Amino acid sequence: AQKITQTQPGMFVQEKEAVTLDCTYDTSDPSYGLFWYKQPSSGEMIFLIYQGSYDQQNATEGRYSLNFQKARKSANLVISASQLGDSAMYFCAMREPRSNFGNEKLTFGTGTRLTIIP
Amino acid sequence: DTGVSQDPRHKITKRGQNVTFRCDPISEHNRLYWYRQTLGQGPEFLTYFQNEAQLEKSRLLSDRFSAERPKGSFSTLEIQRTEQGDSAMYLCASSAGQLNTEAFFGQGTRLTVV
Repeated sequence: AQKITQTQPGMFVQEKEAVTLDCTYDTSDPSYGLFWYKQPSSGEMIFLIYQGSYDQQNATEGRYSLNFQKARKSANLVISASQLGDSAMYFCAMREPRSNFGNEKLTFGTGTRLTIIP
Repeated sequence: DTGVSQDPRHKITKRGQNVTFRCDPISEHNRLYWYRQTLGQGPEFLTYFQNEAQLEKSRLLSDRFSAERPKGSFSTLEIQRTEQGDSAMYLCASSAGQLNTEAFFGQGTRLTVV
């Protein structure tokens, strides 16, 4: 089973509108972390926002917020007031605690390509 | 610049040649990861170092791949006898190792095997 599922391969959004990027995850561990990264055409993965499984509040970072619905195992990214510079690939990722060697690697989804239309 | 740096940014090589990539992590991070990203996919885990010890390797990492992190600082990833299927973006990341801290990524090395 996929650990991280992003069902939207591509999205087109008008500038200044809000956009929601979907992410569902699968884990049996009660303790985990969820991340969103942005990857512009230059290739670098840029960290946007983090949500811990025990966090009571939804995470927010400037124009980014994470709609965390634990029972549904979803962690959707909401970008408010989109800008042209938001055009990029967006990846949802999960980190689970590892008892072996402390390898808290990230597992990524396949990404959503967001295009902002002027 | 105190972020993660990777060198080279781009590498074109002929099939069968050996290539080596370098990653310089954020200095205080003891955890270092290599990921591979092919077109249209998210990054996939290759290998993990804690300080100088390579503690986990993905089954994606065939015996043609080797990685080192001497002295727990920079890391190198070598691919021997490259194949066209090795063409991908190779990303390095470092982190402080706690569950709630983000991994910082370099800009990647894009490998093209012709």
